[in-house]
Formats: sequence, C-alpha cells, structure tokens
Amino acid sequence: QKEVEQNSGPLSVPEGAIASLNCTYSDRVSQSFFWYRQYSGKSPELIMSIYSNGDKEDGRFTAQLNKASQYVSLLIRDSQPSDSATYLCAFIQWNMLTFGGGTRLMVKP
Amino acid sequence: ETGVTQSPTHLIKTRGQQVTLRCSSQSGHNTVSWYQQALGQGPQFIFQYYREEENGRGNFPPRFSGLQFPNYSSELNVNALELDDSALYLCASSLGGRWSDEQYFGPGTRLTVT
Repeated sequence: QKEVEQNSGPLSVPEGAIASLNCTYSDRVSQSFFWYRQYSGKSPELIMSIYSNGDKEDGRFTAQLNKASQYVSLLIRDSQPSDSATYLCAFIQWNMLTFGGGTRLMVKP
Repeated sequence: ETGVTQSPTHLIKTRGQQVTLRCSSQSGHNTVSWYQQALGQGPQFIFQYYREEENGRGNFPPRFSGLQFPNYSSELNVNALELDDSALYLCASSLGGRWSDEQYFGPGTRLTVT
C-alpha cells in the first residue's frame, strides 16, 4: 500500500463547477496535512494546511480532513481555467513531508 | 513568489561528475528541506537542515549530502552522478524546525545527467 494515494487523473471539470480532489494516507499518527498546486514546469505552491478534523476554508478553496477515515480532500469552487494544474497532497510521516503523486486537474472553458 | 531562491536554474552534467546546488531561504526562516522530483511524480524528501544541523533524512544514499550556513542558506551536493539523478531539485524553507511548519518551495533546479 502506498503511503499517500491520489488519483492521477486527469480530472476534467467545466468552468464554474466544483472540483473535488481526494487523498488517502496510511499513517494514523499524522497530524499535519497540506495541499500544494503545481503548474507544469514550476515548483509546488502551498494552498492550504489543515491540522484538525473538519473543514477549513480559504477563498474558493476548502480542505476537509477526516482522520478516522485517513482521508483529506480539497474542494475548489467556481473553478477557473487558471486552476488547471497538478494538485499534490502531503502529510507528515516519520518526521518528513511525504507527497502523493498528484492529481492533474483540467478546467475547460 | 515565496522569497526562496535557488541556483542554478538548469544544469547539465555527465555521469560520474559531482554537482552543487544552492538555496537561499525566505527571510526569517531557519529551516531548509531538499526534495527530488522525477517527472510525473511527487517530490521525494532528501534531507532537512535546522540551524545548521541535519534534522532528518529520507531514503537517499550518502552521495547526497548537504550543509546549511549561518545565514540559513543551504547547499545540496551530489557525488558520482547517475542517470537516474536527472530530476527537478527543490528546496523549501520553513519557520522553526517543527515538522508541522508550512514549507515554501523555491523555483527548483532542473538537473540533467547524460
């Protein structure tokens, strides 16, 4: 079992729709979770961090954490073509930041 | 822009050579982490430096080494380069040496080994 599981995609959504990105992780002890956005040829950019069960909202982005189910998600409301990128989830495991392989999101005008 | 800088932007080396990559952390950050990202994969943790000491290491061989300077800038050295070392090398800075701290990435160095 991989430490972090993400659907590689591509996930295609129409402009203005809600994009839902999901991530499952293997370490029950982890307390810190992060979502990064990476445009093609660029470095990852931190979007959200979440440490507690429940929802955390920042603008059009909402991160959801369910530690019992070992599941974290990212919702993007009113998706825009500029949101087209690869989204990486990451969590702290054994004192290091462990990344998933990323989900490629395509927002079509 | 995160304020984290890396040099050089691109580098081409031959198998067996050695390479040094450099990173300047964001102002106020005393922790630097290094990652290797192969094409189509997520970043893989190499090691972290906190106040000039190694603060954790991933599953990379000893030919990957590093150091951190008193101004918190950092270097990644790779000896005896192999073809599989071709990747994007990323450094990330964070505030205080805690693993829960948010990490902010620099633009990366694209290394090609031929």
